[in-house]
Amino acid sequence: QSALTQPASVSGSPGQSITISCTGTSSDVGTYNLVSWYQQYPGKAPKLMIYEGSKRPSGVSNRFSGSKSGNTASLTISGLQAEDEADYYCCSYAGSGTFYVFGTGTKVTVL
Amino acid sequence: EVQLVESGGGLVQPGRSLRLSCTASGFNFGDYAMSWFRQAPGKGLEWVGFIRGKAYGGTTEYAASVKGRFTISRDDPKSMAYLQMNSLKTEDTAVYYCTRAFEGDYWGQGTLVTVSS
Repeated sequence: QSALTQPASVSGSPGQSITISCTGTSSDVGTYNLVSWYQQYPGKAPKLMIYEGSKRPSGVSNRFSGSKSGNTASLTISGLQAEDEADYYCCSYAGSGTFYVFGTGTKVTVL
Repeated sequence: EVQLVESGGGLVQPGRSLRLSCTASGFNFGDYAMSWFRQAPGKGLEWVGFIRGKAYGGTTEYAASVKGRFTISRDDPKSMAYLQMNSLKTEDTAVYYCTRAFEGDYWGQGTLVTVSS
């Protein structure tokens, strides 16, 4: 099972909106609405930002939203803030056998 | 407050074994699946495996890269989860994270496992 494809880097200015894509296949993203997104600061543990495609855990800012179209899931960060600068990973359920596959990771830079 | 604390990491030679522990607090441990993830130095995240809650038989599932070598277990009265790692390889070197639930809604701080001769 190959990793999900994410852009290596995405950047934006404060206040702007950015979108991170996560491209999989019909065996994972395309079939299951079970994509999660994680935020990770250097040297820190990841934090769950989105689960089941578009749901936000309690305490996560509503500036973060998730969606899906076909085999591609997306994470949108609106009203970009300096604190959003971090690495972001997507993860999709891929059925029994493989179970979970991660994306390659995207570094978000706030200009 | 939900807290997860991993322990047991360290330097181990290839082919040897190591057991990681995860101490949980702040929630009803037995009601949740527990998962393990890892991250090699400078690399991305990788799912290792999970153990279902008692209500679902406490059964386990593993990534292909560790299946047959790693075993996840749990002790609900102690609110602890374990990751037994056998036949360790250099490519198992990583920070190992214990998380709550399948998607990891809470994460521990991680423990570093270095496999090297």
